[in-house]
Amino acid sequence: KNEVEQSPQNLTAQEGEFITINCSYSVGISALHWLQQHPGGGIVSLFMLSSGKKKHGRLIATINIQEKHSSLHITASHPRDSAVYICAVRFSYDKVIFGPGTSLSVIP
Amino acid sequence: GAVVSQHPSRVICKSGTSVKIECRSLDFQATTMFWYRQFPKQSLMLMATSNEGSKATYEQGVEKDKFLINHASLTLSTLTVTSAHPEDSSFYICSAKQGMFAFFGQGTRLTVV
Repeated sequence: KNEVEQSPQNLTAQEGEFITINCSYSVGISALHWLQQHPGGGIVSLFMLSSGKKKHGRLIATINIQEKHSSLHITASHPRDSAVYICAVRFSYDKVIFGPGTSLSVIP
Repeated sequence: GAVVSQHPSRVICKSGTSVKIECRSLDFQATTMFWYRQFPKQSLMLMATSNEGSKATYEQGVEKDKFLINHASLTLSTLTVTSAHPEDSSFYICSAKQGMFAFFGQGTRLTVV
């Protein structure tokens, strides 16, 4: 069964802290997405990865295909980063499976 | 980069009415689009796969007569929730496939009162 797991489930950080959210999956994939979901539900696509590393502002996403693992890092975290972060994995059979999400709260 | 636009972002409707949600690929043609639903405190789950010019493929447990999907062009797929009931209140999101990648819409929060 193809599964996507995320850790931690919930995370509270102090403003300025470096944050890491992890995603692991069970079988080979075509691509992996990191999504940000705000309290109102709106989704923002942060990254799409098939290999290596991407950086956008304070956000960094990495993927290790051999280990079937991806990480999302937030440097110098800010309260506006508070959201649910979702890892979405596209498997070879052309469907996307979403991880359960990581709820991040950054305290001033 | 590729953009998928979903409209509306929020909608409130009365029980028994129908609601249409649009998903557009703005700068690419998408032969395949996907519709997902998210229940409170749960992850997004695939509802159906929409292929341009053919009938949608629904996941087990999803009522095809209630959730009508139309993919009439390479840039537009629509999801119509027919005879909506409060239990249909949820967050719906689409994604469009381009090659090996999938691009997500912003999502639609549906509230049925």
